[in-house]
Amino acid sequence: EAGVTQSPTHLIKTRGQQATLRCSPISGHTSVYWYQQALGLGLQFLLWYDEGEERNRGNFPPRFSGRQFPNYSSELNVNALELEDSALYLCASRPGGSYNSPLHFGNGTRLTVT
Amino acid sequence: AQSVTQLDSQVPVFEEAPVELRCNYSSSVSVYLFWYVQYPNQGLQLLLKYLSGSTLVESINGFEAEFNKSQTSFHLRKPSVHISDTAEYFCAVSENNAGNMLTFGGGTRLMVKP
Repeated sequence: EAGVTQSPTHLIKTRGQQATLRCSPISGHTSVYWYQQALGLGLQFLLWYDEGEERNRGNFPPRFSGRQFPNYSSELNVNALELEDSALYLCASRPGGSYNSPLHFGNGTRLTVT
Repeated sequence: AQSVTQLDSQVPVFEEAPVELRCNYSSSVSVYLFWYVQYPNQGLQLLLKYLSGSTLVESINGFEAEFNKSQTSFHLRKPSVHISDTAEYFCAVSENNAGNMLTFGGGTRLMVKP
């Protein structure tokens, strides 16, 4: 079974630009989660999508947004990039409605903002 | 709201020594508990999980964790560590409700020295 895949692996942007990160969940998983892992800050929850709908979002400004497509893949968009947005962005998936299933993570996209 | 505290940000230990990585959580409802491991430049991998039943859970590579409800803890232990265990370890909790968010602790960097 293919795992969660994320693209690109690395992304370098300048301040003020927009970044788009992509995630393909494990086949059959309808829930997709996005986390930000910034240096020294641990994993911060960003967004949760299930069946194409945004179910929950973390304490991040509106310039962090995303969507989930009919095939359950997902996109994270970060507008008006700031230096502190530099981080590893992790996507995870699990079957929808399964409160006790563990999350399966991709290897992340490392975003560097200069 | 749930929260997770990992009391040690770094734990240095010599090879073949025992180790304990501490994790405490707070929640007003029943929870599911997880330990994840992150090797350099990779995403998170599930190490073990507690859903219900026996409070002692084990992984295939010698780690174990014990759920202690009265102390709201889920400490991770291994009787003899290897160099290859060097990684970052994250404790996570998910509440048994429709909010269904996985909250992570700040992580503990295990550094195994020869």
